[in-house]
Amino acid sequence: QKEVEQDPGPLSVPEGAIVSLNCTYSNSAFQYFMWYRQYSRKGPELLMYTYSSGNKEDGRFTAQVDKSSKYISLFIRDSQPSDSATYLCAMRGNNRLAFGKGNQVVVIP
Amino acid sequence: NAGVTQTPKFQVLKTGQSMTLQCAQDMNHEYMSWYRQDPGMGLRLIHYSVGAGITDQGEVPNGYNVSRSTTEDFPLRLLSAAPSQTSVYFCASSPSAGGNTIYFGEGSWLTVV
Repeated sequence: QKEVEQDPGPLSVPEGAIVSLNCTYSNSAFQYFMWYRQYSRKGPELLMYTYSSGNKEDGRFTAQVDKSSKYISLFIRDSQPSDSATYLCAMRGNNRLAFGKGNQVVVIP
Repeated sequence: NAGVTQTPKFQVLKTGQSMTLQCAQDMNHEYMSWYRQDPGMGLRLIHYSVGAGITDQGEVPNGYNVSRSTTEDFPLRLLSAAPSQTSVYFCASSPSAGGNTIYFGEGSWLTVV
């Protein structure tokens, strides 16, 4: 089993829809969970990070962590064409940092 | 607010040539790293440094060298370029090795023919 699994997509949604992205992981040492957004031909930029199980909201974005299931999610409400990008999950713990392969999202106007 | 600066942005090399990808950060971060990103492979760690004078290998170090003589700079050297090194390279930095705020550069697109 890979350390971090992320379905690469692509995922196409109409403008205004809710986008749901998720990652699973196998390493119980992971304590910090991050989501990065990467626009085409750009570097990844940190979108959100969480430490514990539960939800964290930031505007239209919600990050969810379920440590018992080793499952994290990112929800984007009222999606906009400007949300079209690749989203990467990342996890850190015990001096180990691992990234998912990224999930391409296309929001169609 | 420069952040992490990478040069060059695009480069074409012939097989066997050597070159250096430059990376500089102006945030006084201790931790710096180099990744390559390939389709279907995600980000893979090449080399990293936890501070000036200290470097270590990541997941895919073969064919690459690094040095860290200052806190600000972390160049990546390709010793003898091979077509398998065609990729996008990202330099990243964070305040510490355990930090959660990792800042990436804009990327360097390298093609080896």
